[in-house]
Amino acid sequence: GAGVSQSPSNKVTEKGKDVELRCDPISGHTALYWYRQSLGQGLEFLIYFQGNSAPDKSGLPSDRFSAERTGGSVSTLTIQRTQQEDSAVYLCASSPPPLAWAQYFGPGTRLTVL
Amino acid sequence: KQEVTQIPAALSVPEGENLVLNCSFTDSAIYNLQWFRQDPGKGLTSLLLIQSSQREQTSGRLNASLDKSSGRSTLYIAASQPGDSATYLCAAEGGKLQFGAGTQVVVTP
Repeated sequence: GAGVSQSPSNKVTEKGKDVELRCDPISGHTALYWYRQSLGQGLEFLIYFQGNSAPDKSGLPSDRFSAERTGGSVSTLTIQRTQQEDSAVYLCASSPPPLAWAQYFGPGTRLTVL
Repeated sequence: KQEVTQIPAALSVPEGENLVLNCSFTDSAIYNLQWFRQDPGKGLTSLLLIQSSQREQTSGRLNASLDKSSGRSTLYIAASQPGDSATYLCAAEGGKLQFGAGTQVVVTP
């Protein structure tokens, strides 16, 4: 079956612009996660959606970052007024209920802020 | 706060040698420990998961051990092959997955 998909695969933007990154989770997976992977760093948790519950936003680094999940499926991560330090690979993962640890990852979006 | 460290950051071995990858974590109150593989331009693939009550898991040429008391996990890959070249990440789960920075492995023919 189809895995987690993310778009775009690569995004180059200028400092100060807004960007939107999209994640399509595996059908039926109720949990969705966003991570950021900077060069030479581990994955940094950003935000977690579980069903209709309020999302866990504890990992978002600043108020320039926000995410939505519409209809319990597709999610969009928005970064406003991008900065050079936002350059990273943004990974999305989804997991089936109730196995929150069984995360299936998408290929990521590589964001470069010039 | 859980911190996960992986040593070495990079490793190069000739084909056929056994690989030993180390992962340490600071908070032993974990539910499980996972090892993932990441290929360039691709997402992560889960290799092995060791639950907190277990000491090791095996899958084919891969064996992972877990010692919660010392805060360590080790991934062994027997008889390495060029196709094993990738970045290997460990993640400790205590509610959320906390990842290490990974070990980049190159297996030369």
